[in-house]
Formats: sequence, structure tokens, C-alpha cells
Amino acid sequence: QVQLVQSGSELKNPGASVKVSCKAYGYDFTSTAINWVRQAPGQGLEWMGWINTNTGKTTYAQGFTGRFVFSVGTSVSTAYLQINGLKAEDTAVYYCARGFGSCSDGTCRFDPWGQGTPVTVSS
Amino acid sequence: QAVVTQEPSLTVSPGGTVTLTCGSSTGAVTSGHYPSWFQQKPGQAPTTLIYDTRNKQSWTPARFSGSLLGAKAALTLSGAQPEDEADYYCLLSYNNARRVFGGGTKLTVL
Repeated sequence: QVQLVQSGSELKNPGASVKVSCKAYGYDFTSTAINWVRQAPGQGLEWMGWINTNTGKTTYAQGFTGRFVFSVGTSVSTAYLQINGLKAEDTAVYYCARGFGSCSDGTCRFDPWGQGTPVTVSS
Repeated sequence: QAVVTQEPSLTVSPGGTVTLTCGSSTGAVTSGHYPSWFQQKPGQAPTTLIYDTRNKQSWTPARFSGSLLGAKAALTLSGAQPEDEADYYCLLSYNNARRVFGGGTKLTVL
């Protein structure tokens, strides 16, 4: 069964770092992209960017450059989102979603989605 | 960065028809924006209903359909069911391989 399983909830102090994982099951991990999406409490979805799991090439949305880092561990079929220098406004649920298709030139079907990882930043 | 606009909220009667739209600040939405539509219920991860304007996932109920309507992408729900009450988001792709979600539409079935 094709699925993405994300790591559990995190509680971090401001200024700390967090690394969220997204493990893929049931398909060739390096054949499709991984997208990352943020949802702040009570807010809508924000596309953060994507990573080519074969080449490691990353594309970040405006507002997610600098402190946000996408990476992959191909031997363990896992994508990672690291957030450095955490701020209170990073409190959100972070989702990964497989990008099925040719995400570099437009068509990129999000399927499946991970279950989400809540990250809370508070002292 | 482009801004993608959706109706903040809509209400439909059970069995009724409603159309949600998705516009872009850059101009008309076309098939080249590869519009996608997602449904999200409270406390759950989003699920993909429609991709590439009008293509359905295997689990997408037949009452949902995607299209281009004038200068916007559209999601039409024909024969609304109580379980369709949810938040709906569109996503557009831009020519630098970056994507932007709309603000979401809260659909009430009442």
C-alpha cells in the first residue's frame, strides 16, 4: 500500500531546530517528488516547496528560504524537513505529499499525503 | 508571488449544486496552471479530489467535477451530501515550478 508516514508531534523552544521525517512505503521512493505543506492553527494550506528525491534538487516557496531545509535519505526511503531557528509563528502542522508526475514543469499530483506532524514552538 | 483567490465560504442545500472557484492574481487560470482541488475535514490531512483541471482520483465521488470557468478554475459539486461539508483548497502551478494554494473555501451543507 502506497503511503507516507510522518514522525510524531514536536514541542520545541524558540531558537531550536526540528527535523520532521516522512517515510515512504509501497513505491519506488526516488521515482517521484516530495512536497511539503504547512498549516498554521486555524489557517489554510501553504505550499512550502518540493524536493526531487532522485537528484536532491530543492525548490522553495517564497517565505520558506533560509531556515527551512529539505533533504532525503534514499536508503531509508525518507524525506526530511528541517527548520532552524524556530519561531513561535512556525507553530503549525507540517504535511508531506508525494508529487506524482513531472513536478518540475507543472503537472504534479499530490498523492498520497502524510498524516501531518504538529510542531509547537513555545518556551 | 502570485495570490490565488477562493470564496471564503459557501453554503449549499443537501442535494443541491454549488461551484467553487479559484482565481489567480496573474491573470486567467488556464490548464497550464494544472489546477488541483483538495478536501480537508476537521482534524484530518487533506485529500486530493481533482488534479490537472478535471482528472479525478480513484476515490473521488462522481458528484465532484473540475473545469475551467471563464478566467478561473472551478470545482462543481452536484448533489451535495452532508459528508461533503469540509474546507476545499485549490492549488495552482506557475511557470517556475512553484505552486500556490488558495485561501480555502469553507463549504457548509445546510
